[in-house]
Amino acid sequence: GDSVTQMEGPVTLSEEAFLTINCTYTATGYPSLFWYVQYPGEGLQLLLKATKADDKGSNKGFEATYRKETTSFHLEKGSVQVSDSAVYFCALSPSAAGNKLTFGGGTRVLVKP
Amino acid sequence: KAGVTQTPRYLIKTRGQQVTLSCSPISGHRSVSWYQQTPGQGLQFLFEYFSETQRNKGNFPGRFSGRQFSNSRSEMNVSTLELGDSALYLCASSLPHGGVSSYNEQFFGPGTRLTVL
Repeated sequence: GDSVTQMEGPVTLSEEAFLTINCTYTATGYPSLFWYVQYPGEGLQLLLKATKADDKGSNKGFEATYRKETTSFHLEKGSVQVSDSAVYFCALSPSAAGNKLTFGGGTRVLVKP
Repeated sequence: KAGVTQTPRYLIKTRGQQVTLSCSPISGHRSVSWYQQTPGQGLQFLFEYFSETQRNKGNFPGRFSGRQFSNSRSEMNVSTLELGDSALYLCASSLPHGGVSSYNEQFFGPGTRLTVL
């Protein structure tokens, strides 16, 4: 079945550091890929998405590129802020499976001033 | 536009009891999905409802059930609660899936935290 693997955290960074969170997936067909963020005490928010190979999703300084050849969707941000402290989830949705999302295990990111 | 609302936000039950959680989607959204979040298993898909019909189902036992009403509000029910059912239950709403290679963003509610003692 479909699966998503992402690096385990926690990841601790200083403000203005570069952030990378690795995500790889296993799926048949051409899934859509997503990064969600969960701030403390809140639900999930969609951070960015990509629906086909080589698409680049971007939002709030975060970027991720859909790499079909390596089945990856790594999240990057060039300069993190304290407010980026959260748990980040990589997820996929099969191309014809309605709105079912398969999530990775989540990566907690802590940014220190 | 009001977001997805879930009630109650917190719930404490004992083993063997049953529980019903409620989700009100964003106005105009017709698809509602439910997810279970636990430290051990992470986020897992429970089921999706669209137009009062279950459209997708995850790998959970029959003790987990749901329904959707004509106004798109949804409820999920867990019968014969077990300690392992303690979790954050998240509801997400979206416009209906538009077909192959299309996707409508899912908007998540804050969740209901269920504790089973």
